[in-house]
Amino acid sequence: SQKIEQNSEALNIQEGKTATLTCNYTNYSPAYLQWYRQDPGRGPVFLLLIRENEKEKRKERLKVTFDTTLKQSLFHITASQPADSATYLCALNSGGYQKVTFGIGTKLQVIP
Amino acid sequence: DGGITQSPKYLFRKEGQNVTLSCEQNLNHDAMYWYRQDPGQGLRLIYYSQIVNDFQKGDIAEGYSVSREKKESFPLTVTSAQKNPTAFYLCASSIAGGNQPQHFGDGTRLSIL
Repeated sequence: SQKIEQNSEALNIQEGKTATLTCNYTNYSPAYLQWYRQDPGRGPVFLLLIRENEKEKRKERLKVTFDTTLKQSLFHITASQPADSATYLCALNSGGYQKVTFGIGTKLQVIP
Repeated sequence: DGGITQSPKYLFRKEGQNVTLSCEQNLNHDAMYWYRQDPGQGLRLIYYSQIVNDFQKGDIAEGYSVSREKKESFPLTVTSAQKNPTAFYLCASSIAGGNQPQHFGDGTRLSIL
């Protein structure tokens, strides 16, 4: 069966360190993968998109990698800040180019 | 500012009632989506529309209905046939054609009285 797995447990990290979040998938062949941030009681906010032919994408303190052999994407936040505390969702296209499926998300807590 | 507006933020439904959740966007996006979010589960797609007057069922369409009469609007009706409607409902829009980020509203939380 198809699965998207993100660490369901919260990730606690010290301010200033690099946070690394994992998204693994099974039985998908996504053409692209997206990462979103969601704060409590709010809708997700788009952060980054990476295509299957791209190994890495960066935006300010954010970096995403995409390994189609390992079927994994890693999401890094460098020099993490308490304001980065949120739930981070990965999403990949499934069943057609426009439809995406979301993972459960990983809750990140950055401790001052 | 462009964006997506969902209303109301909180909604209560009595047993046997249909309720309609509003979603309006002024981003000029062709594609719109409805998701349901439950604790411990990812967002699940209910319905999506790629163009006015056209929509497709998502993964959990049973007990829901939609319409897309205007580009800006994509209302979702939760019917009495939906036996477990308590959830956080999210509407999104995007440029059509895939490979595009989705812009989300801030959701409607539906509860059963």
